[in-house]
Amino acid sequence: NAGVTQTPKFRVLKTGQSMTLLCAQDMNHEYMYWYRQDPGMGLRLIHYSVGEGTTAKGEVPDGYNVSRLKKQNFLLGLESAAPSQTSVYFCASNRRGREVDGYTFGSGTRLTVV
Amino acid sequence: GDSVTQMEGPVTLSEEACLTINCTYTATGYPSLFWYVQYPGEGLQLLLKATKADDKGSNKGFEATYRKETTSFHLEKGSVQVSDSAVYFCALSYSGGGADGLTFGKGTHLIIQP
Repeated sequence: NAGVTQTPKFRVLKTGQSMTLLCAQDMNHEYMYWYRQDPGMGLRLIHYSVGEGTTAKGEVPDGYNVSRLKKQNFLLGLESAAPSQTSVYFCASNRRGREVDGYTFGSGTRLTVV
Repeated sequence: GDSVTQMEGPVTLSEEACLTINCTYTATGYPSLFWYVQYPGEGLQLLLKATKADDKGSNKGFEATYRKETTSFHLEKGSVQVSDSAVYFCALSYSGGGADGLTFGKGTHLIIQP
């Protein structure tokens, strides 16, 4: 019963490098989300997806791209990393129509951009 | 837009003390309310929830009541333990998912001393 799995767990990038964070869920959830967590800021929504092949911008989308080619996977890409993108990234998922059940979160990816 | 405000920490208590973490919200509709807990190095876990006014959510000795008249959802526990040390997030969401996702407060770091 894996739930939501994020890879990698830790990463250090140099400014200007690119990388992709992977989120995989095995609960057949329609909705998936990427959040970033920064000290004193809580969690802020970067991008989200309401289904396979669809993505949309959240509160802080600049500098990130996403793709959802398969229902179970939601990828977050950084094309040219900047120090301001140093953060902890969380993926979450939920079932359509059952938002009141709460969202399932992954364990996070700690990214440092130097 | 919607927002969640919660008391900022850290909040330091002795074991067996009473706990209250205040949370108030601003919402345009009738959201569901949640408390999530984040233990060190882990992702967020749903602690409790309430979906309509006057509902009381409870779990692991924690309680919170959805107060529409005061737009509040304060987290309470009668006797805290060292194992309760964590960061607590108040959040709201609407049915329908999508851009709404979860709107979080900034989090309250709770430290319980033996």
